[in-house]
Amino acid sequence: NAGVTQTPKFQVLKTGQSMTLQCAQDMNHEYMSWYRQDPGMGLRLIHYSVGAGITDQGEVPNGYNVSRSTTEDFPLRLLSAAPSQTSVYFCASSYLPGQGSHEQYFGPGTRLTVT
Amino acid sequence: AQTVTQSQPEMSVQEAETVTLSCTYDTSESDYYLFWYKQPPSRQMILVIRQEAYKQQNATENRFSVNFQKAAKSFSLKISDSQLGDAAMYFCAYRSGLAGANSKLTFGKGITLSVRP
Repeated sequence: NAGVTQTPKFQVLKTGQSMTLQCAQDMNHEYMSWYRQDPGMGLRLIHYSVGAGITDQGEVPNGYNVSRSTTEDFPLRLLSAAPSQTSVYFCASSYLPGQGSHEQYFGPGTRLTVT
Repeated sequence: AQTVTQSQPEMSVQEAETVTLSCTYDTSESDYYLFWYKQPPSRQMILVIRQEAYKQQNATENRFSVNFQKAAKSFSLKISDSQLGDAAMYFCAYRSGLAGANSKLTFGKGITLSVRP
C-alpha cells in the first residue's frame, strides 16, 4: 500500500495564480480531509469529505475548493493564491467513525509559498 | 465545539531520561478518541499512541504511555528512556467517535521536544 500520497512536495506561486494540490489514498477510506499547518497554530481543517460526491467546509475554507469524484482522490484547488496561503498542507484519510480504526493517516505534506 | 490545549510550547529532556508532555481538552461528548502525533523535521505526521475514551486502561506503546484522566479531561504523554530520535514536535488531537458527526481531528498547537545528548 502506498498509503496517502500528495503532490507536489514543494510549490512556489505568484499572487493571483491558481493551482491544484493532489491527494490520493489506496486504503478505501471514506473520510478524507485537508489541513493547513502554520507556525504556532497546529493543524486547521480546510475541507473534508465523507465519501465520493460529498464535501463540506472546515474551519478555514476561504480561498480553497475541493471535489471528490472518486473514493481515492481528493484534490485541493487554490483559486487565486494569496500570501496568506503560504503554509504546509496535509491531506489525511481514515475510516468513518464506527467503521474501523479512528486514526487518520497523513500524506507527506506540501510546502506552498506564495510571493 | 471541542478544544485541545497544549500549554507548553517547548520542552527539553536529557537522553535516557523520562519526560511528560501535557494536554487538556474540552468536550461534552462521551464517545471520543485521543491521539498523540509526532512530527519530526521531515514533517511527516506519525501516530504515536491513541486512547479510546471508553477504555479505563491507559494506552502504552513501547517507551510511550499516556496518563488519561477522563474526569479532568487530561491526556498526557510520557516518553521513557528518551532517545535523540524522539526530538520532534508533538501534537495532541481529539476526534469524535459519533457516527455522522464531523470526523475531523482537532489539534493542539503542538510542543517542540528537544533531547540533549
